Amino acid sequence: DAMVIQNPRYQVTQFGKPVTLSCSQTLNHNVMYWYQQKSSQAPKLLFHYYDKDFNNEADTPDNFQSRRPNTSFCFLDIRSPGLGDAAMYLCATSRRPGQGYQETQYFGPGTRLLVL
Amino acid sequence: GDSVTQMEGPVTLSEEAFLTINCTYTATGYPSLFWYVQYPGEGLQLLLKATKADDKGSNKGFEATYRKETTSFHLEKGSVQVSDSAVYFCALSFREYGNKLVFGAGTILRVKS
Repeated sequence: DAMVIQNPRYQVTQFGKPVTLSCSQTLNHNVMYWYQQKSSQAPKLLFHYYDKDFNNEADTPDNFQSRRPNTSFCFLDIRSPGLGDAAMYLCATSRRPGQGYQETQYFGPGTRLLVL
Repeated sequence: GDSVTQMEGPVTLSEEAFLTINCTYTATGYPSLFWYVQYPGEGLQLLLKATKADDKGSNKGFEATYRKETTSFHLEKGSVQVSDSAVYFCALSFREYGNKLVFGAGTILRVKS
């Protein structure tokens, strides 16, 4: 089945130690998104890629970076994780919105990050 | 800016009860509207959507109608099951703004047998 895969499902890192979360998709979608979801809160968009075009949200901290080496993969890099970065990180994909229709976003299962 | 407001939870119902979760939005223009569901420990799944006024989205017994005049998209189900226990998120997006989703705070639903 076509899907969005996130690895690992749980990630533990130390304060200040760089960490990378990965997302892959078999849907061949143009657009990939990264969301941060803190406990009991709504997901918040960090950034997204339109093909290779990177789009950062204005309030995303510089500590968060992303890479998309090809259509199928997208990575979230946290350069120096702080305690406040502990959260669920959700990857989503969609086709590029076309004229007259809205594209649905498909979410992966998420990676729960714990910072010690 | 654009925003979504949902009724606060948790909502606790007995099995087979009627469900309504209120959702209203504030936006410039006419967004597409969505309901996503999140089961414990999992990612979000699209439950239903509507892309223009008076559209009704439906799936798995859930329904919601896009009401432009009241800027609302309330979620309803006639008879809930224990398996419907989850967090429900209302969201909007604009195709012109990269299809980005703006979520409400989420409403926890607990269904007792």
